Amino acid sequence: QKEVEQNSGPLSVPEGAIASLNCTYSDRGSQSFFWYRQYSGKSPELIMFIYSNGDKEDGRFTAQLNKASQYVSLLIRDSQPSDSATYLCAVSPDDKIIFGKGTRLHILP
Amino acid sequence: GAVVSQHPSRVICKSGTSVKIECRSLDFQATTMFWYRQFPKQSLMLMATSNEGSKATYEQGVEKDKFLINHASLTLSTLTVTSAHPEDSSFYICSYRVLGTEAFFGQGTRLTVV
Repeated sequence: QKEVEQNSGPLSVPEGAIASLNCTYSDRGSQSFFWYRQYSGKSPELIMFIYSNGDKEDGRFTAQLNKASQYVSLLIRDSQPSDSATYLCAVSPDDKIIFGKGTRLHILP
Repeated sequence: GAVVSQHPSRVICKSGTSVKIECRSLDFQATTMFWYRQFPKQSLMLMATSNEGSKATYEQGVEKDKFLINHASLTLSTLTVTSAHPEDSSFYICSYRVLGTEAFFGQGTRLTVV
């Protein structure tokens, strides 16, 4: 069974600090990896996607992928209160996208 | 990015009735739509894959006679929850994925069955 595992949190991080979110997946055939942010009662919105091993940076966000370890992470620099949300890790082994349960992030003012 | 319009955003219905949720792609032709369900503090669970002009493919454990999916055109897919019960209360989200890239989501429908 294809699974995506995340720590549910909540993860509390002081404003201005770095938030680190982690995710592991079971299907070695997965090719595409995504981080979505979801506010309560809203649909997910894409933060980052990554396909290759290594780091990918976009503004305050950095996604890291290690296919050998089946591990994906998301770093959020200079955390802001507006970053408080649930972050969903998602993996795509084929045309479907499989989501983790999400990590609740709380940025402390 | 692609725009997916889903409605209604919220619906309350009586137990035993049916509810239809519509999902429209506004600026592209969606050959494949995905329907997800999300219970509180849970992940998005894929219910079914809807292909234009053909029968939907349901994930294991999802009752196809209860969750009727119709994808009659390239811009409209519908999910009908038949004979709804309180345990069907959930957040239903449609999604379209551009091949090999990210998924675009509708706004979601909060269904409450009383």
